Amino acid sequence: NAGVTQTPKFQVLKTGQSMTLQCAQDMNHEYMSWYRQDPGMGLRLIHYSVGAGITDQGEVPNGYNVSRSTTEDFPLRLLSAAPSQTSVYFCASSFGGLGSYEQYFGPGTRLTVT
Amino acid sequence: AQRVTQPEKLLSVFKGAPVELKCNYSYSGSPELFWYVQYSRQRLQLLLRHISRESIKGFTADLNKGETSFHLKKPFAQEEDSAMYYCALRGNQGAQKLVFGQGTRLTINP
Repeated sequence: NAGVTQTPKFQVLKTGQSMTLQCAQDMNHEYMSWYRQDPGMGLRLIHYSVGAGITDQGEVPNGYNVSRSTTEDFPLRLLSAAPSQTSVYFCASSFGGLGSYEQYFGPGTRLTVT
Repeated sequence: AQRVTQPEKLLSVFKGAPVELKCNYSYSGSPELFWYVQYSRQRLQLLLRHISRESIKGFTADLNKGETSFHLKKPFAQEEDSAMYYCALRGNQGAQKLVFGQGTRLTINP
């Protein structure tokens, strides 16, 4: 099992550019989510998905889009990058039932917007 | 609204000393509380959850509903405990959604 994988590891964008952060998991997890990690602010939920074809907004969704066409993949799209989106992005996944509790995190993508 | 507060951004203690990382929460229902840890150059991973009431790597955390706290404790700190620690809450309505605190960077001095 590769677990949760994210690509790229590092990315530098210019303001206004768009890009997609990739996230994949091979554990057949129903639930997937994207967080951003900023100093002093912890991890904040951007978007999440409870299964293929179902997505919803988290705490800080503005400027980001997601889709979930398969169970395995959950890409995060930056539509028009802004310096405020400079952050470390983490993807996480878990089983969907209330009885499950552990979320598995990817290694992160460090994004810099200039 | 769900909210998790970790009042200390940085915490530094000497090896062998007791450690307590504070976590307070705000939630109207019955939450599940977790501690996640991120060691240097490693992924964020689950350390422990309140329901299991177990000790992991010598750490324990007790849910105090009266004080709405879930402090993480270890009686004797070790250098390998140096890491970033996050307290997280899962509400009983939000399925897998987690709300994280701001994080505490723990440094254990030799």
